[in-house]
Amino acid sequence: QVQLKESGPGLVQPSETLSLTCTVSGFSLTSNSVHWVRQPPGKGLEWMGIIRSGGSTDYNSALKSRLSISRDTSKSQVFLKMNSLQTEDTAIYYCTRSGTDWGQGTLVTVSS
Amino acid sequence: DVVLTQTPVSLLISLGGQASISCRSSQSLVHSNGNTYLHWYLQKPGQSPQLLIYQVSNRFSGIPDRFSGSGSGTDFTLKISRVEPEDLGVYYCLQRTHNPYTFGAGTKLELK
Repeated sequence: QVQLKESGPGLVQPSETLSLTCTVSGFSLTSNSVHWVRQPPGKGLEWMGIIRSGGSTDYNSALKSRLSISRDTSKSQVFLKMNSLQTEDTAIYYCTRSGTDWGQGTLVTVSS
Repeated sequence: DVVLTQTPVSLLISLGGQASISCRSSQSLVHSNGNTYLHWYLQKPGQSPQLLIYQVSNRFSGIPDRFSGSGSGTDFTLKISRVEPEDLGVYYCLQRTHNPYTFGAGTKLELK
């Protein structure tokens, strides 16, 4: 059974770095891509980036300069790191396996 | 980056009625391999998005045949026939032909 679960701090200070982990089960990261998608409160979905089965990455153009996605295949974990956070980065952050299976999302609030 | 324009922004439909949502792309979504990576999602209130249709017209596992997708090139349509209460929520199109991937802004389906 495929499962994805996001974890990380619920609150981040402005200008700090966000670190999130997506822990997966039921599939291999070396055979599947994982995307990160976010959704500000009351707004639409924004595709953030992808780490493919081979380990290559691509990012949303608007976030590229401050976003990094990596993984630890031995731990079945995918990581998101985004620096210089601002209040507009407040959102629910989702990880998804190829857009078919989704985590429940984790709310990140950027506030002092 | 590819811009996906969804119309209408919201839809008021009676139970049992039909809904049609348009997704227009700023450039052709035909990949160099000949496939068209235009997908449709439904996000029900308080839930993660769920895949309905992949590659224009293929229903995902478990999706009823009341949902159908069509289109080509830059113009795509999602049709929902015999609308049921469980169909309510926000519908998004997503293109995965061109990097970076992009979502449409969403169409909210509500009951009349």
